[in-house]
Amino acid sequence: GQNIDQPTEMTATEGAIVQINCTYQTSGFNGLFWYQQHAGEAPTFLSYNVLDGLEEKGRFSSFLSRSKGYSYLLLKELQMKDSASYLCAAGHYGQNFVFGPGTRLSVLP
Amino acid sequence: DAGVIQSPRHEVTEMGQEVTLRCKPISGHNSLFWYRQTMMRGLELLIYFNNNVPIDDSGMPEDRFSAKMPNASFSTLKIQPSEPRDSAVYFCASSLAVPRYGYTFGSGTRLTVV
Repeated sequence: GQNIDQPTEMTATEGAIVQINCTYQTSGFNGLFWYQQHAGEAPTFLSYNVLDGLEEKGRFSSFLSRSKGYSYLLLKELQMKDSASYLCAAGHYGQNFVFGPGTRLSVLP
Repeated sequence: DAGVIQSPRHEVTEMGQEVTLRCKPISGHNSLFWYRQTMMRGLELLIYFNNNVPIDDSGMPEDRFSAKMPNASFSTLKIQPSEPRDSAVYFCASSLAVPRYGYTFGSGTRLTVV
């Protein structure tokens, strides 16, 4: 089976740093996605991790530990526009990727 | 590139009616996915195609749901007959064979069955 857990909600202050965690258990795995979804919009791709370690893309970084079934998304220098849901998804690329329930992030002034 | 194009954006229909959702993937993408999103169940994979061939439809909830991909530039998801519990946002996504750019989602179809 496949199971992905994320915190339901998080709140942070503009300019701060926030870490959103994701744990997963999947029957087949070769990578993990992070997506951002603003209310009423489609998910948009943020990052893809296939190897252990940290991948950095500007203000956003994503970390993966395959042995622990764990990932996190790190958002630096938070902006109001970062208020959104963040979804992690694990599985086999191009096949059965399973999305987590998403973490709703609220950035306060 | 126009991205993944879905139609209609909104659909309101009566219980028992047939509903057809349409998707045009990004040109050159060889995988296509249909997802459904609700507050209760989140984003669920219904079916995916590789090179126009259905690979896994185990997420399709019932026989009332069917999907086709007659060519590389078009796919449909049909619900017949529709029920109120089918109300959700249905997303289509497409991707290349390499994961570097992830899946690209369409804007979705918000379906309401009354």
